[in-house]
Amino acid sequence: AQSVTQLGSHVSVSEGALVLLRCNYSSSVPPYLFWYVQYPNQGLQLLLKYTSAATLVKGINGFEAEFKKSETSFHLTKPSAHMSDAAEYFCAVSDWKAAGNKLTFGGGTRVLVKP
Amino acid sequence: EAGVTQFPSHSVIEKGQTVTLRCDPISGHDNLYWYRRVMGKEIKFLLHFVKESKQDESGMPNNRFLAERTGGTYSTLKVQPAELEDSGVYFCASSQPRGGMNTGELFFGEGSRLTVL
Repeated sequence: AQSVTQLGSHVSVSEGALVLLRCNYSSSVPPYLFWYVQYPNQGLQLLLKYTSAATLVKGINGFEAEFKKSETSFHLTKPSAHMSDAAEYFCAVSDWKAAGNKLTFGGGTRVLVKP
Repeated sequence: EAGVTQFPSHSVIEKGQTVTLRCDPISGHDNLYWYRRVMGKEIKFLLHFVKESKQDESGMPNNRFLAERTGGTYSTLKVQPAELEDSGVYFCASSQPRGGMNTGELFFGEGSRLTVL
C-alpha cells in the first residue's frame, strides 16, 4: 500500500519569500511522484512529476522538487513566492508497475501569500 | 484541444434523491478515473476505466454508487440514494496509456461539487 503525508495543511508566506511544501511518501515499490496545484474554482493541474529520471525535477511557474529516496521525501520549493501562487497543493504517489496511474494523494496544503 | 469536462459543476440534492455526474475525457484517452474529496479529507480514488471496462473499482464506497462508461467515451457516476456523507467534490481524470515516453499523466476536470442536505 502507498501513502502520502503532507506536513501542514496551511502555509503562509510573504511575497518574495521561499515557498517550501513538505511531502513524505510510503511505497513498497519505486514510486512515481507528483505535485498538483488547484487554483480557486479550477481543476487539478500538474506542476511537476518524478518518474525515476533526474532526482531534481523542475516544473511550471518556477517550482521544483527533489526526490530523496533515503528520506522518502519529495518536497516542493519555489525561491520567491508570487501572489498568484496562492492555491492548494497536493502531493501524490503512484505505483509505476500498475497498469494505470492510480494516484494516492496527500491531504493538501493551502498556501496563502501575504503582500 | 478540449480538456476534461465535468457536469454539473455543482449539485444540491435532498437525502434519498438520485444524482448523476458526467465526465467527458480528453479525446483519445482510454483511461478514465473518478476521485472524490470529502471536505477536510484527502482526494480518494474511486475507480478506473480502461475504455469501457472497469479496471479497478476498489475505491467505490458502497453499492449506492454506480459508474458506467458506455462505448468507452464519456462516463457517468450515479449516486442512488444519496446520503449526507456523499457530499464532496467528485473529480474525473483521463490519461493515455502508459508506455514509451508516455508516463500516463492524469489530466483532471474542475470537479463536480455535490451537496446532500
